[in-house]
Amino acid sequence: AQSVTQLGSHVSVSEGALVLLRCNYSSSVPPYLFWYVQYPNQGLQLLLKYTSAATLVKGINGFEAEFKKSETSFHLTKPSAHMSDAAEYFCAVSVGNFNKFYFGSGTKLNVKP
Amino acid sequence: GAVVSQHPSRVICKSGTSVKIECRSLDFQATTMFWYRQFPKQSLMLMATSNEGSKATYEQGVEKDKFLINHASLTLSTLTVTSAHPEDSSFYICSAFLRDRGDNEQFFGPGTRLTVL
Repeated sequence: AQSVTQLGSHVSVSEGALVLLRCNYSSSVPPYLFWYVQYPNQGLQLLLKYTSAATLVKGINGFEAEFKKSETSFHLTKPSAHMSDAAEYFCAVSVGNFNKFYFGSGTKLNVKP
Repeated sequence: GAVVSQHPSRVICKSGTSVKIECRSLDFQATTMFWYRQFPKQSLMLMATSNEGSKATYEQGVEKDKFLINHASLTLSTLTVTSAHPEDSSFYICSAFLRDRGDNEQFFGPGTRLTVL
């Protein structure tokens, strides 16, 4: 069975500081991994995705994530937080041809001025 | 990227009425669409998988007679909440799956906020 764990339901950083949002997955087969961002009352916007190519994935808005198979992790990072990064972030895993997404519980990022 | 729309974006209805939500893939054909439900401050919960031309597959605990799904064409899936009650109030999000991409990416609609009075 597949599952996703996001450590930390709330993360608060200062503007300009490093952003680190954690995601660990469980999958018996090579997974596809995704990070999405959600602003209030809106749908999900894809930040980046891992599809078995490069393990370091660069996404939009300066975000990147590294797939570490040995740690079953796919943490999201951004070197310097911006006020506009304040939102909720979801990690998701999908495997094989089933194409179902299993979402983590989400991490709300707060950026302090 | 592929665009998915939802209509309406917001709906308020009286208890006991039925509400239909449309999900459209605007610039691609989606053989599979998904319907999610999101409660405040919670993650997305998959309700059902909708395949064009066949019956939807519901997740455990989701009442298929309560949440009717119709995927009549390759660009349209509808979710009808029948005899809505206040506990059905939620944010409903659909997504479309583009199989030919081969990477399992889903494209999400902007969501529909349902409030049942």
